[in-house]
Amino acid sequence: GQNIDQPTEMTATEGAIVQINCTYQTSGFNGLFWYQQHAGEAPTFLSYNVLDGLEEKGRFSSFLSRSKGYSYLLLKELQMKDSASYLCAVAPRDSNYQLIWGAGTKLIIKP
Amino acid sequence: DAGVTQSPTHLIKTRGQQVTLRCSPKSGHDTVSWYQQALGQGPQFIFQYYEEEERQRGNFPDRFSGHQFPNYSSELNVNALLLGDSALYLCASSERAGLNNYGYTFGSGTRLTVV
Repeated sequence: GQNIDQPTEMTATEGAIVQINCTYQTSGFNGLFWYQQHAGEAPTFLSYNVLDGLEEKGRFSSFLSRSKGYSYLLLKELQMKDSASYLCAVAPRDSNYQLIWGAGTKLIIKP
Repeated sequence: DAGVTQSPTHLIKTRGQQVTLRCSPKSGHDTVSWYQQALGQGPQFIFQYYEEEERQRGNFPDRFSGHQFPNYSSELNVNALLLGDSALYLCASSERAGLNNYGYTFGSGTRLTVV
């Protein structure tokens, strides 16, 4: 079967760094996405990894290890507006048409 | 630059009724995917439309059907509504031939409540 696991909830302090992990088991692999979703809003694209390694985009970075079926999203210099759910999604090799999604990690930022 | 627009924003229906949700893709996008997102869960793929045809379908019953029009806009129809159909329905658009490295652009969703 296909499965994506993320922690349900994490708490961090404003200004700090937090790492959100994602492990996946899918029928092939064609890329991994991270999306941010504020409560009641649509998911918005954060990052895409298809090769192993770290992709950095400002305060956000995403890492992928295909051999381990593992990714993480690193958020630096946390701001209150970063309080949201962070969704990990994988594009399986046998389908270029859909994403398999994790349930999301709710990140709570405290002052 | 208009993003993905969905209508209506919120909807309340009674069990057994039928509902139609609408989506206009982002300018330049020709592929529309529909997802169902239950509270506290990740989105679940319903189906995708390209060139006015259903290209792939997720694990949803035939009560869920769709359509894509020549202008790339799309409708999602759900018949014989069940309480369990209550969810946020997301429309996502992308360029042809599947996902590029920017993934989907999502609309704000339609919150469907079945009572």
